[in-house]
Amino acid sequence: KAGVTQTPRYLIKTRGQQVTLSCSPISGHRSVSWYQQTPGQGLQFLFEYFSETQRNKGNFPGRFSGRQFSNSRSEMNVSTLELGDSALYLCASSQWSGGTYNEQFFGPGTRLTVL
Amino acid sequence: ELKVEQNPLFLSMQEGKNYTIYCNYSTTSDRLYWYRQDPGKSLESLFVLLSNGAVKQEGRLMASLDTKARLSTLHITAAVHDLSATYFCAVVTTDSWGKLQFGAGTQVVVTP
Repeated sequence: KAGVTQTPRYLIKTRGQQVTLSCSPISGHRSVSWYQQTPGQGLQFLFEYFSETQRNKGNFPGRFSGRQFSNSRSEMNVSTLELGDSALYLCASSQWSGGTYNEQFFGPGTRLTVL
Repeated sequence: ELKVEQNPLFLSMQEGKNYTIYCNYSTTSDRLYWYRQDPGKSLESLFVLLSNGAVKQEGRLMASLDTKARLSTLHITAAVHDLSATYFCAVVTTDSWGKLQFGAGTQVVVTP
């Protein structure tokens, strides 16, 4: 089975621009979660989607948004980029079975640099 | 709010010796995960601990969970250089299944 894929792997943007990151989950996984990783704040949860619905949201400003498509692929968008948005963005997918989620499997990440 | 604390944050290990990383969390949790991250890489799943008293072992790593104490430990036996990485524990609760709350991570460096 193919793992979680994320595109692009690297991205350089300037302040004020917007960016869209993409995540394709493992086949059969309907839950996709997004995380931001920075040296200062560590790993922080952004949001989680399940069957095209946002189920959980972290404490990030409204500039961060996401969506999920019917094939479970997910995108996250960051508008009006700030220098502090430079980070590794990780997406993870998991499978719902037996009334619970199974473990989350992570993609390789997208390294975003904001200049 | 669920808080997860790991200690130590940095661990310098000598090859061949044993060490333990601790993970405490603040509220009732339903499962606990351990992940490994190599520099510049993504997170690799090591263990999923589902219930009180759960113990899992893989090679030189052994993880355990005490839900009453809200404590998990990751024990490293006879450290080797290949174990150099950052180790994270993460916790979820039933009302936020898809949301992993991570500890700060423990950076492990194994030297001869």
